Amino acid sequence: AQTVTQSQPEMSVQEAETVTLSCTYDTSESDYYLFWYKQPPSRQMILVIRQEAYKQQNATENRFSVNFQKAAKSFSLKISDSQLGDAAMYFCAYRGGQGAQKLVFGQGTRLTINP
Amino acid sequence: DTGVSQNPRHKITKRGQNVTFRCDPISEHNRLYWYRQTLGQGPEFLTYFQNEAQLEKSRLLSDRFSAERPKGSFSTLEIQRTEQGDSAMYLCASSLEGWSGRGELFFGEGSRLTVL
Repeated sequence: AQTVTQSQPEMSVQEAETVTLSCTYDTSESDYYLFWYKQPPSRQMILVIRQEAYKQQNATENRFSVNFQKAAKSFSLKISDSQLGDAAMYFCAYRGGQGAQKLVFGQGTRLTINP
Repeated sequence: DTGVSQNPRHKITKRGQNVTFRCDPISEHNRLYWYRQTLGQGPEFLTYFQNEAQLEKSRLLSDRFSAERPKGSFSTLEIQRTEQGDSAMYLCASSLEGWSGRGELFFGEGSRLTVL
């Protein structure tokens, strides 16, 4: 079974600085997808960024980028120019290929932004 | 469209009672998912529907749990004979078939269950 591990329960960063959240996963599949979801306090979870395993290029969405290391099974999220609105729980998630529908989530990292 | 809607947002019940949660997905989405999230943990997959068909169920979904999606629109998740271990946030999400584009799941705000 696939597993996703986030080893940082909490992280904090100064506003306007850069922070990196770590994620590792375990799978025997070669075709899969990786995601970072953001869950603000008392609000719904939203997709931040996604990466297809077959793509070597790291995904980027504005201030959010990933460092995808397939051989190491590592998928970190970098947030540049941190803003107060970035404060949330961040979950790394895995989905298998070939029509798989289930997302496997990590335990989450709580990110605090210090003004 | 206001997104995925879940009701009730919070339910407090006594052990042994039955509870039902409702999820209204985004109208054009034909896939609907239920996840459970306990405090300090990531969401865990429970089940998913494509239209009205329930296509996958997790082993977490014991016999006391049942989910339906009549007519492929809204969905209900019923928990019978609740136990204290059922206390959690129950999340509903929806998506379009094929995971095309960003492959995005759209989540509701969740229904929090507290079993006393």
